[in-house]
Amino acid sequence: ILNVEQSPQSLHVQEGDSTNFTCSFPSSNFYALHWYRWETAKSPEALFVMTLNGDEKKKGRISATLNTKEGYSYLYIKGSQPEDSATYLCAFTDSGYALNFGKGTSLLVTP
Amino acid sequence: GAVVSQHPSWVICKSGTSVKIECRSLDFQATTMFWYRQFPKQSLMLMATSNEGSKATYEQGVEKDKFLINHASLTLSTLTVTSAHPEDSSFYICSASGDTNEKLFFGSGTQLSVL
Repeated sequence: ILNVEQSPQSLHVQEGDSTNFTCSFPSSNFYALHWYRWETAKSPEALFVMTLNGDEKKKGRISATLNTKEGYSYLYIKGSQPEDSATYLCAFTDSGYALNFGKGTSLLVTP
Repeated sequence: GAVVSQHPSWVICKSGTSVKIECRSLDFQATTMFWYRQFPKQSLMLMATSNEGSKATYEQGVEKDKFLINHASLTLSTLTVTSAHPEDSSFYICSASGDTNEKLFFGSGTQLSVL
């Protein structure tokens, strides 16, 4: 089992605030880092799959960065909206297949 | 995007009975399917990986005779919890992918409660 840590565990922000979360993972044998968004009672939805050190990806107001040498990734949400409320999961793989998930960061955005 | 359908969403059963959970990829062929389990306040833990037409690979500590996985086609995988006990009560979720480094597509999960 490969240890993947996410922080903070939960976050409560006001609409319009920007926020970021951290995912740390083993820095050896890196293959890929995934980010998923999981709304209550729905299926986890893939946000990003990141493979290259220094990679930055963006999807609308959400972006992510990757540092494989030091073993961390940041997820940023600009101008949070209530619909961004969800649990954000990161997952690390050293094989390209099996993912090791963190416990997630639970985000609540209130109007 | 691709859709993975998982049924049932929740099930309550008596101790000693078996429960089957189905995972279907509706609009793509899933070369590989993964079964995860999540206990309250814990992370998703990989139970097993299955490739169509071959035996599943189980993670350490997961009993293959208790958690039977069948991946008979490129669109269907099933997980059967045999002789379920209260400690098997958990959230089970499947995911599928077509290739390495592709994002996973998840089912909506099954909450199993064993009385």
